[in-house]
Amino acid sequence: EAQVTQNPRYLITVTGKKLTVTCSQNMNHEYMSWYRQDPGLGLRQIYYSMNVEVTDKGDVPEGYKVSRKEKRNFPLILESPSPNQTSLYFCASVSLPGPTQYFGPGTRLTVL
Amino acid sequence: SQQGEEDPQALSIQEGENATMNCSYKTSINNLQWYRQNSGRGLVHLILIRSNEREKHSGRLRVTLDTSKKSSSLLITASRAADTASYFCAPYNSGGGADGLTFGKGTHLIIQP
Repeated sequence: EAQVTQNPRYLITVTGKKLTVTCSQNMNHEYMSWYRQDPGLGLRQIYYSMNVEVTDKGDVPEGYKVSRKEKRNFPLILESPSPNQTSLYFCASVSLPGPTQYFGPGTRLTVL
Repeated sequence: SQQGEEDPQALSIQEGENATMNCSYKTSINNLQWYRQNSGRGLVHLILIRSNEREKHSGRLRVTLDTSKKSSSLLITASRAADTASYFCAPYNSGGGADGLTFGKGTHLIIQP
């Protein structure tokens, strides 16, 4: 079954404690993307990756890092989380041409 | 980056009625897609309409596209409680790189039983 998985689904952490949200897809897509969703602000793109070792900033990259060492995985790294990064995060894998985006189930992050 | 702007922001109708939401965008596109998001879940792709198409159907969904007005509409006929969700449009231009793979704030649709 084609899917995008994210882990963890829920996370409560404290300011400054490094964390990683993993994202994995089994569709052999080259393009993957991270979004955050906040009330009243909609979905905003954080980072995207066009292929292995190719990443670029989206609209709100500050405070985040990503890596793309292999095609199926695209982890999102918060090196020093702050409360303003409390949000709902989605990973997406993109089928091109199209494009059609396949979203993960979301990770609800709370930074205290 | 190009985003679609959905309108209205929120819509509440009775079950069985039709729901119409609109999307406007700014630059030329190759296609436009609509997605649905149930509360707290990932977006799900509903339908894609190409720039040379004017109307497309999928089940109870009807999408129109007017490239001269840079607008699209999504009609859900005979609405059901399960249609309660947020709906997003995604206008796409292949020359825009990551552009067109972003989303606006969506239309929040509530179907009243």
